[in-house]
Amino acid sequence: DIQMTQSPSSLSASVGDRVTITCRASQSISSYLSWYQQKPGKAPRLLIYAASSLQSGVPSRFSGSGSGTDFTLTISSLQPEDFATYYCLQTYSPPPTFGQGTKVEIK
Amino acid sequence: EVQLVESGGGLVQPGRSLRLSCAASGFTFDDYAMHWVRQAPGKGLEWVSGISWNSGSIGYADSVKGRFTISRDNAKNSLYLQMNSLRNEDTALYSCVKHRSSGWSHPDAFHIWGQGTMVTVSS
Repeated sequence: DIQMTQSPSSLSASVGDRVTITCRASQSISSYLSWYQQKPGKAPRLLIYAASSLQSGVPSRFSGSGSGTDFTLTISSLQPEDFATYYCLQTYSPPPTFGQGTKVEIK
Repeated sequence: EVQLVESGGGLVQPGRSLRLSCAASGFTFDDYAMHWVRQAPGKGLEWVSGISWNSGSIGYADSVKGRFTISRDNAKNSLYLQMNSLRNEDTALYSCVKHRSSGWSHPDAFHIWGQGTMVTVSS
């Protein structure tokens, strides 16, 4: 199975900060990576698919980049509603595997 | 509005069975693959099983293979997960997820998630 490693596991940031979360795959997954946001008690929400395509309805402050083994989710200016846990997911090779999550907390 | 509503969770003893259901609405159910994903309390996301649009292709995580069976009824816009020989470590919130394409193993994203149904395995 492909292992997905996210870093950091958690971070503290202030409103307006630029935030970057990385996800590394144990082997190349081309661009078949997606990012999800999960708030406490809520279902995950698709933010980015195919590494860099913004899902409809997602604010443009979210962006994704990368290919191969290294990927990045960037929030250009953190907003109060962005405090949540973020997960990456590879669907290049079954079984689909998630990163362990990155919790973004208020500084 | 696209909606996925799970049901069937509850408290069950180790070794017993449980059947989860997911009712889909707001989209053409038989155009898309579907998945079950679980999340143990305070933990991350774990893919459990996937099924293609016509049930022609199915996959399972190693942790549930041989114990869980995924199925769908396109006439009823419903997805199911039959869970047998349940273990303490199966305790989790089980969510139904719509794939962005028709094959569960197609390299695409998990588009829409249900709120989940809680399964607790304990004696």
